[in-house]
Amino acid sequence: AQSVSQHNHHVILSEAASLELGCNYSYGGTVNLFWYVQYPGQHLQLLLKYFSGDPLVKGIKGFEAEFIKSKFSFNLRKPSVQWSDTAEYFCAVNAGRGSTLGRLYFGRGTQLTVWP
Amino acid sequence: EAGVTQFPSHSVIEKGQTVTLRCDPISGHDNLYWYRRVMGKEIKFLLHFVKESKQDESGMPNNRFLAERTGGTYSTLKVQPAELEDSGVYFCASSQASGGVRNNEQFFGPGTRLTVL
Repeated sequence: AQSVSQHNHHVILSEAASLELGCNYSYGGTVNLFWYVQYPGQHLQLLLKYFSGDPLVKGIKGFEAEFIKSKFSFNLRKPSVQWSDTAEYFCAVNAGRGSTLGRLYFGRGTQLTVWP
Repeated sequence: EAGVTQFPSHSVIEKGQTVTLRCDPISGHDNLYWYRRVMGKEIKFLLHFVKESKQDESGMPNNRFLAERTGGTYSTLKVQPAELEDSGVYFCASSQASGGVRNNEQFFGPGTRLTVL
């Protein structure tokens, strides 16, 4: 079965520190990759996505992610975090076929806490 | 444009009772998904509707869960009878039909937090 691994469950940083959140998936075929974020008290919202083309994708709020096919990875990065980035971050993969085409497989989430 | 809405936001019930969760997708979105997150674990897929038809219900945990989407608009997820392990946050998401279901962003609702005592 497909699985998505997020290596860090809780990350604590000071403002202006750089961020990298790891994500690995197990599916070997064609995948679509996503990072979602859930700010306190808000809905899950899409940060960025990768379908094809340039493996370095840029999202909202200065986030970017790099798809490395050989490593089955899609790590999320931000050069300088802000207090407002405090949230839970979810990596998700769409690797389905046929009737399962729409389903997303999620990692466990990483809680990011940024101290001002 | 209104987003995905879910009702109720919280529900506390006793083991053995019945609960019905409701999801209203974004208007015009043919695809509707239910997911569940048990505390401390990953968000897991439950099922996928395309309009009123169940496209994929392989994630439903057992026959105590029944999802419907009559008329292809809002959806309900009923748990009967509820068990302790059903506690968690139930998310609904919707996406457009055009461009292929795999390529469409899923927009999530705020979730319903279900607690079974």
